[in-house]
Formats: sequence, structure tokens, C-alpha cells
Amino acid sequence: DIQMTQSPSTLSASVGDRVTITCRASQSVRSWLAWYQQKPGKAPQLLIYKASTLESGVPSRFSGRGSGTDFTLSISSLQPDDFATYFCHQYHINSTFGRGTKVEIK
Amino acid sequence: QVQLVQSGAEVKKPGASVKVSCRASGYTFTDYHIHWVRQAPGQGPEWLGWINPENGGATYAQKFQGRVTMTRDTSITTAYMELSGLTIDDTALYYCTRIGDSYGVDWYLDLWGRGTLVTVSS
Repeated sequence: DIQMTQSPSTLSASVGDRVTITCRASQSVRSWLAWYQQKPGKAPQLLIYKASTLESGVPSRFSGRGSGTDFTLSISSLQPDDFATYFCHQYHINSTFGRGTKVEIK
Repeated sequence: QVQLVQSGAEVKKPGASVKVSCRASGYTFTDYHIHWVRQAPGQGPEWLGWINPENGGATYAQKFQGRVTMTRDTSITTAYMELSGLTIDDTALYYCTRIGDSYGVDWYLDLWGRGTLVTVSS
């Protein structure tokens, strides 16, 4: 199975900060990678797919980059609604998810 | 309204089986694959497998081979996931999800049910 390693596991930031989350795959997943946001008690919500394509309705402050084994999710200017947990998801060979990055208020 | 509606919470004893349902509405059920994902408390999601509602073909994660069965009933636009041989470690929130690509190539998950809590306890 392809392993997905996310870092950091927790990130403390303030409103207006630029934040970046990293996801590394144990082997190449080409560009078959998605990012999700999850809030407590809710299902994950799709933000980015195919590494860099913004899902319809998702604010443009979210962006994704990378291919192969190294990927990033960036939020250009953190908003109050963005404090949540973020997961990466590879779907090149079956599916595996990262363990998540919790973005909390500094 | 495009949505996936899942069945209610279940409490099972170790060794039992559980069957979770997922009713699709607002779109053509047979056009999009359904995937099942679970999430234990405080953990990242874990993929169980997927089913093609058009032909009923299913593929399972190796970890769950022999214990999971995915089926569907197109007459009521509902998918099912049955997990047998339950242990304490199977306690989790089980989600049905839909891939966003009707061609079945791009497996990003654009629509999620609200989850079904399965608790395994003696």
C-alpha cells in the first residue's frame, strides 16, 4: 500500500497568516491527489483534486501544488472558517489518506 | 438535492456483522462509483473499497478482503457495506462517498454521507 505522510500534525496560526501543509507519498502517485477539510462532527469536504484543481465553490485562497511524491496545500490568508483538520488522499493505486493536519488558533 | 443518506448508528458485539446502507438521491445512481471510508476516533480516514453501481462489481482493500461485502440495489438507489467478524478495532464512523468523475477515472471524493457510527463492544 502507498503510505501518505502529512506534516505537521498540528499547526498554530493566526487569522491572515499564510499556511502550508505538506504530504509525501511513499511512491509516485503522479497527480492523483486530493485535499479535504474536516470540521468536528462533519464529513470531509473536498478542496482540491488532481493535485492542483480547485473544487467548485472553494475559495481561491486555497491552492495545491506538486506531483510524484511531494505535495502541498496552501492557504494564502487564513480565515476564521479555516480552522479545521486537513487530509491528503492519494488515489493512484487504490486509496490511502494522510493522518491529518489540525490547524488551530495561535 | 444531491445527497447520500446513510442508515443509523449500530452497536454490535465482537464477532457479529454489520450492514450499513447508503441511499443516493439527486443524481443518476449508476453513473458514479460509490466508495466506503471509515474513520476511527481521532484518526485519519481509511479506505475499505468501492462498488460500481452500474454492474455491481466491487473491489476491496486488501486489509478487508474476506470480511467486507459491498452490494447495491438500483431499484432503490441504495448501496450497502457489510463487515463481518467485528472486533473492538472496527469501532468507527463509516462513510459512503461518491467519486466526482462519472468516467470512473479520477477518484476524488466529492460527495459524502453524514456517516454511520458503528460501535463494537462486549
